[in-house]
Amino acid sequence: DTGVSQDPRHKITKRGQNVTFRCDPISEHNRLYWYRQTLGQGPEFLTYFQNEAQLEKSRLLSDRFSAERPKGSFSTLEIQRTEQGDSAMYLCASSFDRGPYEQYFGPGTRLTVT
Amino acid sequence: AQTVTQSQPEMSVQEAETVTLSCTYDTSESDYYLFWYKQPPSRQMILVIRQEAYKQQNATENRFSVNFQKAAKSFSLKISDSQLGDAAMYFCAYRSTSNFGNEKLTFGTGTRLTIIP
Repeated sequence: DTGVSQDPRHKITKRGQNVTFRCDPISEHNRLYWYRQTLGQGPEFLTYFQNEAQLEKSRLLSDRFSAERPKGSFSTLEIQRTEQGDSAMYLCASSFDRGPYEQYFGPGTRLTVT
Repeated sequence: AQTVTQSQPEMSVQEAETVTLSCTYDTSESDYYLFWYKQPPSRQMILVIRQEAYKQQNATENRFSVNFQKAAKSFSLKISDSQLGDAAMYFCAYRSTSNFGNEKLTFGTGTRLTIIP
């Protein structure tokens, strides 16, 4: 296992379209996190999973956003009716569920909404 | 809620010299984890070093070390013998040790480090 992978790496879409991103965590990790990073800022937490259960969602995660981790392995993040404000880098990370909870990040999916 | 502040948007250092990046945080918790992450241009975020708040000894990883001042809520990163490959955005991050509702990392806004050859 070589680390966290994300697909696609880049996505350009038109406003109003739906997009879906995929994250494959490190296989031994049972926790999976989604963050959003805008230009010049640090990542901001969106949501996280313990196995297949979504345990926490940020207020940043509007109703247009939905995330799943159906079998406790890979996860998908879907954005419906995209808006220009959704343009950002979407980062996925994974970790064990015990200290020190180091999170390992994927390369991210850069979304551009035109 | 916890906050993390990095007051230096940009720093530069001559190759082979030493540089210190600053980070302060605000929390009411007594136990937590602190991390420094490195994000090279167009590349993924990499964990550089971590510190557990209950440990008084400052963490060290090769050329990277921290100065953890718990009372002052300060967590600076020192990079010794700077190399061209150290050029990146550096993010300070906080994580509670609580296992309920505090699993996320809270990041600062980052410091862009430039290495001058």
